[in-house]
Amino acid sequence: QVQLQESGPGLVKPSETLSLTCTVSGGSIGSNFWSWIRQPPGRGLEWIGNIFYNGYTNYNPSFKSRVAISVDTYTDQLSLNLGSVTAADTAVYYCARELTGYYEGVFDYWGQGILVTVSS
Amino acid sequence: DIQLTQSPSFLSASVGDRVTITCRASPGIASYLAWYQQKPGKAPNLLIYAASTLQSGVPSRFSGSGSATEFTLTISSLQPEDFATYYCQQLNSYPLLTFGGGTKVEIQ
Repeated sequence: QVQLQESGPGLVKPSETLSLTCTVSGGSIGSNFWSWIRQPPGRGLEWIGNIFYNGYTNYNPSFKSRVAISVDTYTDQLSLNLGSVTAADTAVYYCARELTGYYEGVFDYWGQGILVTVSS
Repeated sequence: DIQLTQSPSFLSASVGDRVTITCRASPGIASYLAWYQQKPGKAPNLLIYAASTLQSGVPSRFSGSGSATEFTLTISSLQPEDFATYYCQQLNSYPLLTFGGGTKVEIQ
């Protein structure tokens, strides 16, 4: 059974960088795309970007050049860095695994999520 | 960009009711649509993908249909554990992925 666990600081100051890690267990990080998705309190879901095990990334243009996702295949971890944060970046951040093949982009496993609050 | 519009945003129903949620896409997205269920404080859970393919382990009372611009998620007989928020998601414009605004199903 694949399990994902997000970790990182729950409080980030405005203008600083939000950094989160997602640890994958129960399966290999290889052969799937892995995504970061966020959900502001009481609101809907927003896809941030994804990464393949070889480091190939795709990003939501809404995040412009603020975002970077990386992967460490030795530790089965993926990371999210989101720079120049504001209060609008306050959200629960999820990592999720995508199906392979024809339905990449469908999320079959999710982490429990981590609430990150941007505040001074 | 592809826009997904869910209706209704809020739905009040009773146990045993048949419930239908609609997701409209503009422009059309063929069958590249998934549905998720999210309970308070939990991550979303995949119910259906490819518009009508039931994810392994999901009860058969859930079903999906539609293509192109109009899709539906149906719960044939609402159970107490089904009270949750439901989201549609398109992958036609992969890798740019977007979600609908959600439909909250509450107990009448």
